[in-house]
Amino acid sequence: NAGVTQTPKFRILKIGQSMTLQCTQDMNHNYMYWYRQDPGMGLKLIYYSVGAGITDKGEVPNGYNVSRSTTEDFPLRLELAAPSQTSVYFCASSRLRGTDYGYTFGSGTRLTVV
Amino acid sequence: QQPVQSPQAVILREGEDAVINCSSSKALYSVHWYRQKHGEAPVFLMILLKGGEQKGHEKISASFNEKKQQSSLYLTASQLSYSGTYFCGTEQRAAGNKLTFGGGTRVLVKP
Repeated sequence: NAGVTQTPKFRILKIGQSMTLQCTQDMNHNYMYWYRQDPGMGLKLIYYSVGAGITDKGEVPNGYNVSRSTTEDFPLRLELAAPSQTSVYFCASSRLRGTDYGYTFGSGTRLTVV
Repeated sequence: QQPVQSPQAVILREGEDAVINCSSSKALYSVHWYRQKHGEAPVFLMILLKGGEQKGHEKISASFNEKKQQSSLYLTASQLSYSGTYFCGTEQRAAGNKLTFGGGTRVLVKP
């Protein structure tokens, strides 16, 4: 099983450009999340989803959008990129409550806005 | 609100023990612990649910004091592979499975 797959791994954007970070999971998890991690810092929640068609804002949603049309995919859209969006972006998934419902993280997308 | 982790960093010799603390000002439903190696994604270690249970993973264990809204991670007889940054993630009541992560504790285990 691949787990959580994120693409691309690296990207350089110019200020004002837009892009979509892709995230796919093959574990049939209902819950999916997008976090960003600035250098030397913890993870901050951008958006999350509890199932197909349902999304909600996290702690730092400004400048981002998401959609969840299928259980497997949870893309993150950056509109009008700004230097403050330079960060490492992690997608994660988890199942509903039960035993050990920890997050499975993707390998991350390292984004630089110049 | 972000949970507070302490210490921010710790250096150990192989075989030594360490404790990492995670405190929240909010009532918690659960506490997760993750380890992140440099340049890699965080990896899930364990979940502590309300009730003060203690869990273990290899020689790493943790406890959760629901009354104090605190969790502690215990690194026992540390190994070189324990090096990395440890994050606690807290889940508040009725917040679904949405975690708020602490700032992390950097652990370096030296031979």
